[in-house]
Amino acid sequence: DGGITQSPKYLFRKEGQNVTLSCEQNLNHDAMYWYRQDPGQGLRLIYYSQIVNDFQKGDIAEGYSVSREKKESFPLTVTSAQKNPTAFYLCASSTPGVDTEAFFGQGTRLTVV
Amino acid sequence: AQSVTQLDSQVPVFEEAPVELRCNYSSSVSVYLFWYVQYPNQGLQLLLKYLSGSTLVKGINGFEAEFNKSQTSFHLRKPSVHISDTAEYFCAVTSSGSARQLTFGSGTQLTVLP
Repeated sequence: DGGITQSPKYLFRKEGQNVTLSCEQNLNHDAMYWYRQDPGQGLRLIYYSQIVNDFQKGDIAEGYSVSREKKESFPLTVTSAQKNPTAFYLCASSTPGVDTEAFFGQGTRLTVV
Repeated sequence: AQSVTQLDSQVPVFEEAPVELRCNYSSSVSVYLFWYVQYPNQGLQLLLKYLSGSTLVKGINGFEAEFNKSQTSFHLRKPSVHISDTAEYFCAVTSSGSARQLTFGSGTQLTVLP
C-alpha cells in the first residue's frame, strides 16, 4: 500500500539532546513537508521541500534542520536549540500543483523529559 | 499572505443532529480550500476540497462545504452526525502564490454526544 510512514510513533528526549524523526513515502511525490501541532494552534509549517536536494524554511524553522537526499525520505532533526520541542510532529507529501491534496503520516509525539 | 480562522474551538452536538463548522479565510489571490479530519493521535485525512466550479462541494462521510467568495467563508456541514464523527477538523487554504504551502486554521473539536 502506498503511504507515508513516520517513525517512531512516540519519542522521548532528554534536554540538550538532538533527535531525528523519520519520514518515508512511497507515493512518488516530489514535495514533502514537516508540521508541528500544538493544542489549540493548528498545524504550523517547519520546513518543506519541493524537490530532492532542496528545501525551504517554513514559519517556525528555528531549532530544526532537515535533509532531502532521496525523493522518498525527509528526516527532521530537532536540535537542542529548539526551546520547547514537546509537540506532535506531522509529515506530509504531495504532487506539484496548488490544487492537489497533501497526504499525511500518522505523526510522532515527541516529549522532552 | 493567506490566513484561516476557525471560529469555534469546540462544538458539542447530539447524535443525529445537524452540525456546521465555520471557516473564514483571507487571501489576496485565488484560493484553494480544504477540510481535513484528525482522529486522536493520528494524521490528517482529507474530507473535501474546493478548487473551482460549483461552490457546493461534497466529501466523504456525508460532509459537504460551501464556498462563499463574498463572505470569504468555507463552512463545513453535515445534516446528521454520528458518534464516529467525533474528531478534530481543520480548514486549510493554499493559493497560486504560496509555493503550495497549506495554511491551517487552529482546528475545531467536534464532540458528538449520545
